[in-house]
Amino acid sequence: DQQVKQNSPSLSVQEGRISILNCDYTNSMFDYFLWYKKYPAEGPTFLISISSIKDKNEDGRFTVFLNKSAKHLSLHIVPSQPGDSAVYFCAATDFGNEKLTFGTGTRLTIIP
Amino acid sequence: GAGVSQTPSNKVTEKGKYVELRCDPISGHTALYWYRQSLGQGPEFLIYFQGTGAADDSGLPNDRFFAVRPEGSVSTLKIQRTERGDSAVYLCASSLQGTGANVLTFGAGSRLTVL
Repeated sequence: DQQVKQNSPSLSVQEGRISILNCDYTNSMFDYFLWYKKYPAEGPTFLISISSIKDKNEDGRFTVFLNKSAKHLSLHIVPSQPGDSAVYFCAATDFGNEKLTFGTGTRLTIIP
Repeated sequence: GAGVSQTPSNKVTEKGKYVELRCDPISGHTALYWYRQSLGQGPEFLIYFQGTGAADDSGLPNDRFFAVRPEGSVSTLKIQRTERGDSAVYLCASSLQGTGANVLTFGAGSRLTVL
């Protein structure tokens, strides 16, 4: 039972354009969501998060949108840069729970 | 240390052998986590320590897996009678407070291959 789903295994975007990565979840108890970025041979690194009391959180080039009714979140990167090429994982938890439930990841490739 | 350190970075073993994977968290981080990432999957929760005690071990797949953190710092994940299905990257992470919404800092992982 995949509670966090990233249905696009890969995405290619031209440098300078917007990258949109999508994530869906099924567990209505989830109320805190995170995006992690992973380069090869490195551990995942935290990128941005959002609480369910918000529908948007922005940090520089990165914005996360949350649609609670659709149980859907997305990560927008604009403008996309070559260094953004990595695997992006969506993760979710319910506040107070130490477990993060991860999606299967989306490999983003930025084309120069 | 500056980051989360995991050793070994790579381990190849034979089916049935015993394996230990070590994690050295960021100094001062009281919460420590083990995750497992199989090929093509996202990280999967195994166990969480707050200090020396395992606060949540619900993700350990079976009794062949065990983890300790005797002094509240370094942790060791122990796998007995390894099976080919145990092949994965084992990720360790730590955080300052472990309150459920904290950001985890991950190590680079230990890649385990069971032949």
